[in-house]
Amino acid sequence: EVQLVESGGGLVQHGGSLRLSCATSGFAFSNFWMTWVRQAPGKGLEWVANIKQDGSEQYYVDSVKGRFIISRDNTKNSLYLQMNSLRVEDTAMYYCARDTPYYYDGSGLLWGQGTLVTVSS
Amino acid sequence: DIVMTQSPDSLAVSLGERATINCKSSQSLFYSSTNKNYLAWYQQKPGQPPKLLIYWASTRESGVPDRFSGSGSETDFTLTISSLQAEDVAVYYCQSFYGMPKTFGQGTKVEIK
Repeated sequence: EVQLVESGGGLVQHGGSLRLSCATSGFAFSNFWMTWVRQAPGKGLEWVANIKQDGSEQYYVDSVKGRFIISRDNTKNSLYLQMNSLRVEDTAMYYCARDTPYYYDGSGLLWGQGTLVTVSS
Repeated sequence: DIVMTQSPDSLAVSLGERATINCKSSQSLFYSSTNKNYLAWYQQKPGQPPKLLIYWASTRESGVPDRFSGSGSETDFTLTISSLQAEDVAVYYCQSFYGMPKTFGQGTKVEIK
């Protein structure tokens, strides 16, 4: 069974930093792109970033470029999101998701339960 | 970036009736080399993470009831619930998998009439 468990969320002040982690099991982690998606309270889903199997490619939504860094450790089957210079508008539930095996692949995301990040002013 | 637009934003359907959700992309999601459309559908119930329902625009994920079906091609796609059940009350999202970023539609809320 595919499992993704996020951690590291919490309350942080505007301008602060947090590091989210996602521990995975039940699939060959190193064979898949991995993704972070967020959802502000009462709002829709926003794709945040993803990373290739070997970490050599990363893509970000414009609103987090230069502030967030996605990374992975294939020896620990874990995904990370380093969030710096946090803004109130970054407040959201952050979901880790197993992405696809290939860049061009439409086989969908499998999701964790999420971790809540709250940025106070 | 590809923009995904869903319609309607919400709909209320009687139990046992058909629910239809539309998703339109700003550019084609059809990749000719694979003859597939790079679109997925998700269901999100209150307090839960999204759940994959449909991928490749029309392939049901394992375990998803067959009352859920996906159709469409290129820029216009549809998610149909053939006979709405109480447990289908949720918000439904489409997502583009054609390149980066993999954008989502804004969501469609389905309720019981």
